Amino acid sequence: GNSVTQMEGPVTLSEEAFLTINCTYTATGYPSLFWYVQYPGEGLQLLLKATKADDKGSNKGFEATYRKETTSFHLEKGSVQVSDSAVYFCARTDGANSKLTFGKGITLSVRP
Amino acid sequence: GAVVSQHPSWVICKSGTSVKIECRSLDFQATTMFWYRQFPKQSLMLMATSNEGSKATYEQGVEKDKFLINHASLTLSTLTVTSAHPEDSSFYICSASPGVLDTQYFGPGTRLTVL
Repeated sequence: GNSVTQMEGPVTLSEEAFLTINCTYTATGYPSLFWYVQYPGEGLQLLLKATKADDKGSNKGFEATYRKETTSFHLEKGSVQVSDSAVYFCARTDGANSKLTFGKGITLSVRP
Repeated sequence: GAVVSQHPSWVICKSGTSVKIECRSLDFQATTMFWYRQFPKQSLMLMATSNEGSKATYEQGVEKDKFLINHASLTLSTLTVTSAHPEDSSFYICSASPGVLDTQYFGPGTRLTVL
């Protein structure tokens, strides 16, 4: 079946550090890939997405590239801010509809 | 654009009562709406998928008679937790999608506490 695997957390970084959050997906069908962010006490917000291989999604300084050869969609940001502290979820569709499968999520804490 | 609202944002109820949660797409028509449940520090668990005008499709293990879903219009879906018990306490999140293959847009969630 479809699944998404995220690296174990939590992750704690100092402000302006480089961020990488790993995400891999099962290679079934032709999924779209997403990163969602959940700030404390709030619902999920779409951060970025990519719909086909080699596409790069980007938003708010975050980037992720859809890599079919490694079945990965790693999230990166060159310089994190305290306001980036949140839970980040990687997700995929099953390709036939918009039903999402989520990874377990990872908590990012950024220290001043 | 693509704003989804939920009401209420939080609710506290007594055991045995029913609670209705509304999910609205404010600036687009949602062909499909999804209901999720999120336990503390865990990922989202899909409960059901609903298409406007038809019966909801429930995920395995989700009791359809306990979690009643109605998707009567292209902008509104409701989740009713019937005869709620403390174990139903959770964060319920809805999402809406304009089309079959389109992105899901999430509501802010509803915190349900059953005493």
